[in-house]
Amino acid sequence: GAVVSQHPSRVICKSGTSVKIECRSLDFQATTMFWYRQFPKQSLMLMATSNEGSKATYEQGVEKDKFLINHASLTLSTLTVTSAHPEDSSFYICSAAGGPNNEQFFGPGTRLTVL
Amino acid sequence: GQQLNQSPQSMFIQEGEDVSMNCTSSSIFNTWLWYKQDPGEGPVLLIALYKAGELTSNGRLTAQFGITRKDSFLNISASIPSDVGIYFCAGDGSNTGNQFYFGTGTSLTVIP
Repeated sequence: GAVVSQHPSRVICKSGTSVKIECRSLDFQATTMFWYRQFPKQSLMLMATSNEGSKATYEQGVEKDKFLINHASLTLSTLTVTSAHPEDSSFYICSAAGGPNNEQFFGPGTRLTVL
Repeated sequence: GQQLNQSPQSMFIQEGEDVSMNCTSSSIFNTWLWYKQDPGEGPVLLIALYKAGELTSNGRLTAQFGITRKDSFLNISASIPSDVGIYFCAGDGSNTGNQFYFGTGTSLTVIP
């Protein structure tokens, strides 16, 4: 299947700082990427849909000014958690749409811990 | 966003047993996907289904796209310890573009 990478895999930061997470599709071009958040023992919750060359579409309840998304190219989308707080600690996973029916291929996830 | 109803929520089975889980939706979907997620990792695509009634296998895994287009089933035959993980279904509706909605997950534990 298609390969999606995510960096960093784990990050620990102080409260109030900003953290950038990168999502890359390594062997295919993805016009659409998705950002999810997952709490322990729960399902994936879609945060936003990232479209190359245009603004991201955020799900209800997700603050667009806090979770900045930039889809600069067909292979890269970034999520920046601004002014992070302990409640932002979570597992963040990206996916890229590819394949014949735009199946989603997931990155390995980023574990964010805000102290 | 919308979530799909997935059951059972968790399963504890003996190695060698067969497993069955399902996913239902109030909406019609055009595509059903099944993923497996290991702890601390991203979900991995297992099977993709594209039309109603379709039955697709991937090794010991078999999945079916329900005739009503509102449900899907995943079966695992002769389970082994490495089948342990959380299984998610995902569905794509006709008016959701590339967006897929995910099930609540089934946690599978295989007892050796």
